[in-house]
Amino acid sequence: GAVVSQHPSRVICKSGTSVKIECRSLDFQATTMFWYRQFPKQSLMLMATSNEGSKATYEQGVEKDKFLINHASLTLSTLTVTSAHPEDSSFYICSAINAGGSDTQYFGPGTRLTVL
Amino acid sequence: AQSVTQLGSHVSVSEGALVLLRCNYSSSVPPYLFWYVQYPNQGLQLLLKYTSAATLVKGINGFEAEFKKSETSFHLTKPSAHMSDAAEYFCAVSDLTNAGKSTFGDGTTLTVKP
Repeated sequence: GAVVSQHPSRVICKSGTSVKIECRSLDFQATTMFWYRQFPKQSLMLMATSNEGSKATYEQGVEKDKFLINHASLTLSTLTVTSAHPEDSSFYICSAINAGGSDTQYFGPGTRLTVL
Repeated sequence: AQSVTQLGSHVSVSEGALVLLRCNYSSSVPPYLFWYVQYPNQGLQLLLKYTSAATLVKGINGFEAEFKKSETSFHLTKPSAHMSDAAEYFCAVSDLTNAGKSTFGDGTTLTVKP
């Protein structure tokens, strides 16, 4: 149980385009999901906390207009990187908390974004 | 504020040898502590967690960790390393008030030599 999927697993796009990444909890409901980015050989950096039915909470320094987060249902959150640039290339990972109450995050497999 | 320090960005052991990955934390409230493993181009998998119950926590794949409040440590150990243990390991801290939101350490790359 407690499986989180991400789609796509890998995406390559041209500079200036927008890319949407989906995060789904497959076998549980998630009131809260988190979005992280990870640069090569580095740790995870929390970008935002996504709550179902409300606006996401962004960490300091993360542009909310560039990284649009939508958490429309208890099993789906999306991250849209708008007007992507090469410096946005990174590994994006989501995680989810079980709505039943949990101290554990369940992580998705990650999405590798490459902006040319 | 909470923080995690992982001592040693790279650890190399021989197959069959003891694995010890160090983690020290800082927290103004009782912490929840986690160890995760990450294989290349994959997400994080939970190895074990401490949430104020037993101080010696046993996880998957033969790993365990001991919470030592006096030392503010939560080191990860495994008696005998396998080649398949080679990966990146992250220690993370959160707390009861925001259990799902964790602060991660910088990670430790474990290499296992044959």
